[in-house]
Amino acid sequence: AQKITQTQPGMFVQEKEAVTLDCTYDTSDPSYGLFWYKQPSSGEMIFLIYQGSYDQQNATEGRYSLNFQKARKSANLVISASQLGDSAMYFCAMREGPAAGNKLTFGGGTRVLVKP
Amino acid sequence: GAVVSQHPSWVICKSGTSVKIECRSLDFQATTMFWYRQFPKQSLMLMATSNEGSKATYEQGVEKDKFLINHASLTLSTLTVTSAHPEDSSFYICSARAGLAITGELFFGEGSRLTVL
Repeated sequence: AQKITQTQPGMFVQEKEAVTLDCTYDTSDPSYGLFWYKQPSSGEMIFLIYQGSYDQQNATEGRYSLNFQKARKSANLVISASQLGDSAMYFCAMREGPAAGNKLTFGGGTRVLVKP
Repeated sequence: GAVVSQHPSWVICKSGTSVKIECRSLDFQATTMFWYRQFPKQSLMLMATSNEGSKATYEQGVEKDKFLINHASLTLSTLTVTSAHPEDSSFYICSARAGLAITGELFFGEGSRLTVL
């Protein structure tokens, strides 16, 4: 079974509008971390935001916020006020605890294209 | 922030040759490094976990003899693609962890694009 699922292969968003990227995960480990990364065409992985499984509040980092719904096992990324430079691939990832080797598992990614 | 550097960024080689990719943590000690492979328009697939001073742990389906990983020091891990073939052409990315906590202390290199002719 997929551990991290991103159901949106690609999406367009109008500049200055907000966009939500979906991510659902599957784990039985009570301690885990959820990450979002941005990968522009250059290939580098840019860390955006982190949410711990025990964090009570949703994580926010500037224009990025993570809508963490633990019971539903979802960790959607919200990008507010989209900019042209936000066009990239976005990956959701999960790190489980030591029993799972502390490995980071990635979802399939969502390609975002911001239209002027 | 912490920096992880990969070298080379691009490499083109002939089929049958071996290629070494280096991953260095520049300003921190990385006890664990991870090697990922990414095909065009696909996600990152973990190949192996590299621990300093010990053998790498490979993911299921990854050939150990094909992808040799060495983590000889706390700042350097290398991935050697042995007897490379065109199907090994891919984007290889390393990441390094600065601490043991589950929190976001994981840093990625810039990636190395391998093309095997």
